[in-house]
Amino acid sequence: NAGVTQTPKFQVLKTGQSMTLQCAQDMNHEYMSWYRQDPGMGLRLIHYSVGAGITDQGEVPNGYNVSRSTTEDFPLRLLSAAPSQTSVYFCASSYSERTEAFFGQGTRLTVV
Amino acid sequence: QQPVQSPQAVILREGEDAVINCSSSKALYSVHWYRQKHGEAPVFLMILLKGGEQKGHDKISASFNEKKQQSSLYLTASQLSYSGTYFCGTGFGNEKLTFGTGTRLTIIP
Repeated sequence: NAGVTQTPKFQVLKTGQSMTLQCAQDMNHEYMSWYRQDPGMGLRLIHYSVGAGITDQGEVPNGYNVSRSTTEDFPLRLLSAAPSQTSVYFCASSYSERTEAFFGQGTRLTVV
Repeated sequence: QQPVQSPQAVILREGEDAVINCSSSKALYSVHWYRQKHGEAPVFLMILLKGGEQKGHDKISASFNEKKQQSSLYLTASQLSYSGTYFCGTGFGNEKLTFGTGTRLTIIP
């Protein structure tokens, strides 16, 4: 029973590079979301999706793109990494906002 | 808009009680509570869906005051294992779950 799987766990990027953070869930959840966690800032919502083909912006969407082609996968793309995107990124999934959210183990990203 | 949590940090001795508050400037549809240990993912504690609702398990409970747009998490007779950062998450009926900045709880023997 895998739950929510994020890859990679650690990543170092140079400024201007692009990359995709992967998130997959095997619970058939419709709702998936991406958060970034910075010291003193809590968990801030980047993008979320309520089902395949449907995405929307959260509080801090600038510099990030998402798409949702399947129920299982919700990748997060950084098109041109900046040092301000150094953070820990968490993916979460749930049946809805009124049910428990399951988190992946996180991706620690450093942009130099 | 992120919900506001208070206090930001609290230090307790084992066996003492704590209350963590979560308030929103908008009407709440749901309130979640999670605990995160250092270097780990947040873990679900409980969810409250109706005004006036109270829930609990073990010695951790929560209440939801819909009119005041706030929720409180109560930890009684704290144990060392309760240490961590506690987050409230608030939903507004649009499937957008937003979390507060967290409350760091430290339990000392």
